[in-house]
Amino acid sequence: DIQMTQSPSLLSASVGDRVTLSCKASQNIYKYLNWYQQKLGEAPKLLIYYTNSLQTGIPSRFSGSGSGTDYTLTISSLQPEDVATYFCQQYNSWWTFGGGTKLELK
Amino acid sequence: QVQLKESGPGLVQPSQTLSLTCTVAGFSLTSYNVHWVRQPPGKGLEWMGVIWNTGGTRYNSALKSRLSISKDTSKSQVFLKMNSLQTEDTATYYCARAGSGYLDYWGQGVMVTVSS
Repeated sequence: DIQMTQSPSLLSASVGDRVTLSCKASQNIYKYLNWYQQKLGEAPKLLIYYTNSLQTGIPSRFSGSGSGTDYTLTISSLQPEDVATYFCQQYNSWWTFGGGTKLELK
Repeated sequence: QVQLKESGPGLVQPSQTLSLTCTVAGFSLTSYNVHWVRQPPGKGLEWMGVIWNTGGTRYNSALKSRLSISKDTSKSQVFLKMNSLQTEDTATYYCARAGSGYLDYWGQGVMVTVSS
């Protein structure tokens, strides 16, 4: 099974900051990588699919990149409503989620 | 519009079987795959399994021996059954519609507690 490791597990940042979240796969996943946002008490929401495709309705401050085993979610200018936990998920070999990065305001 | 809603018992006794239903609207189960994902309190997401539009299934290897997913296309319902429940199965259980490998619509989730 493919393992997904996210870092950091907790990230504190200020409004307006550029924020970068990392996700590393245990083997090459050929860009089959999605990102989800989960706010407290809510179901996860799809942000980005296939590494860098923005889901409809998601603000353009969110972007994704990566290849091979290393992937990144970037928020260009952090907004208060972006406080949430972010999960990556691979689908190269079935499906596996990363452990999540909790993003909070400094 | 696309909607998914999970339903089932909030409390299950240890060693018993969990039965959950995911009722969908706004799309056909003959055209889309549906996944089950769970989340223990305060923890991350665990992919449980998928039922494809064709009716085929695939399960997380860690749960495979206890898990079964089926569907009734005419009723727009997907079913999850998992036996031999233990306290570590306490979680919020979600069903989600799948696009091309990504989960684009999720239900609100149903909290299941395993306790005597």
